[in-house]
Amino acid sequence: GDSVTQMEGPVTLSEEAFLTINCTYTATGYPSLFWYVQYPGEGLQLLLKATKADDKGSNKGFEATYRKETTSFHLEKGSVQVSDSAVYFCALSVVSGGYNKLIFGAGTRLAVHP
Amino acid sequence: DGGITQSPKYLFRKEGQNVTLSCEQNLNHDAMYWYRQDPGQGLRLIYYSQIVNDFQKGDIAEGYSVSREKKESFPLTVTSAQKNPTAFYLCASSIPQGGVIQYFGAGTRLSVL
Repeated sequence: GDSVTQMEGPVTLSEEAFLTINCTYTATGYPSLFWYVQYPGEGLQLLLKATKADDKGSNKGFEATYRKETTSFHLEKGSVQVSDSAVYFCALSVVSGGYNKLIFGAGTRLAVHP
Repeated sequence: DGGITQSPKYLFRKEGQNVTLSCEQNLNHDAMYWYRQDPGQGLRLIYYSQIVNDFQKGDIAEGYSVSREKKESFPLTVTSAQKNPTAFYLCASSIPQGGVIQYFGAGTRLSVL
């Protein structure tokens, strides 16, 4: 079945370090791919998305490229800030039973220290 | 401002009690969803609704019930049959087409007394 696998956290970085959070997926068809972010005690916010192979999603300095050949959608940021500390979820969207189904990875907690 | 409002933010349930979580949206979305989030896990789908007066079970519907009498509202009832209800519950909405963004509320944290 369709699934998403993320690297386990927590990921602990110093401010201004480079961030990579790995995400790979298994899906039939051509899913759309998303990264959502969850700040402590809050709901999820969309960070970026990509709808087809080779698309690059970007927002707030974060980027991810839809790689069909490696079934990956790794999240990167060149210089993290303390305010980026949150849990990051990779997700794919497929149409299943006629509805828009989102399948999430387990989430990766990022802690950025000054 | 358009968005999704969940209430209450915190909720406590006694043994054998049913509790209802509220979800209201003013985004004019047809589709609405309820997810459960447990520590260290991703979100799991409880129920979804694509249109008023229609809803479908998700992956973990046992012990939960929903209604969709209005487009804006999709309340979730956690029944006494749900033996492990302690979790963070998230409501979302979207237009029904595939590949589109789901927008989330701020969540309700449910605990058992």
